Amino acid sequence: KQEVTQIPAALSVPEGENLVLNCSFTDSAIYNLQWFRQDPGKGLTSLLLIQSSQREQTSGRLNASLDKSSGRSTLYIAASQPGDSATYLCAAVLDSGGSNYKLTFGKGTLLTVNP
Amino acid sequence: DGGITQSPKYLFRKEGQNVTLSCEQNLNHDAMYWYRQDPGQGLRLIYYSQIVNDFQKGDIAEGYSVSREKKESFPLTVTSAQKNPTAFYLCASGPHRDRAGGYGYTFGSGTRLTVV
Repeated sequence: KQEVTQIPAALSVPEGENLVLNCSFTDSAIYNLQWFRQDPGKGLTSLLLIQSSQREQTSGRLNASLDKSSGRSTLYIAASQPGDSATYLCAAVLDSGGSNYKLTFGKGTLLTVNP
Repeated sequence: DGGITQSPKYLFRKEGQNVTLSCEQNLNHDAMYWYRQDPGQGLRLIYYSQIVNDFQKGDIAEGYSVSREKKESFPLTVTSAQKNPTAFYLCASGPHRDRAGGYGYTFGSGTRLTVV
């Protein structure tokens, strides 16, 4: 059974700092890995998606990498801003032959960026 | 605009009562999912449906029921058999083609259910 772990559980940084959020998964036969942002009491907003054949994806100040062999993904946030404060979740989708896609989530990293 | 709509945003349930949470999507996605989110536990899969008139149990299906009579709709009923229903419920649909060429999933804004 796929298990996804996110470290750290919480992170507090001063504004402007570059930071890295970590995600590890136990089953390397993933179809893709998706990073989400969740604001308090809200739904999930998709940030980046990396297919199993890709190594990284970039969107603005965000960069996500994927290393299937080691079962790890990282989300890099450059020049952090107070508006980046939220919970960041990663979710892995297993490759089950194209017939059954389910996301397995980590518990998230609560990020606080202080002005 | 295309998206997923969950209603209501807040729901209160009395002991022994069944309640139904609505999830509607106009994204033409084949699959739909229900997740439960509790503090410190992340998201757990309740039920999912890959096509109309078919659905499967997720990891924590006990005390819940679903139906998929239309492609656009996937309502979740929280029955009186669910002993601890207070949680945040999220509906998702997919997969959809991501700008990078992969397949991703879209989430609704959630329903917060409280037992009173």
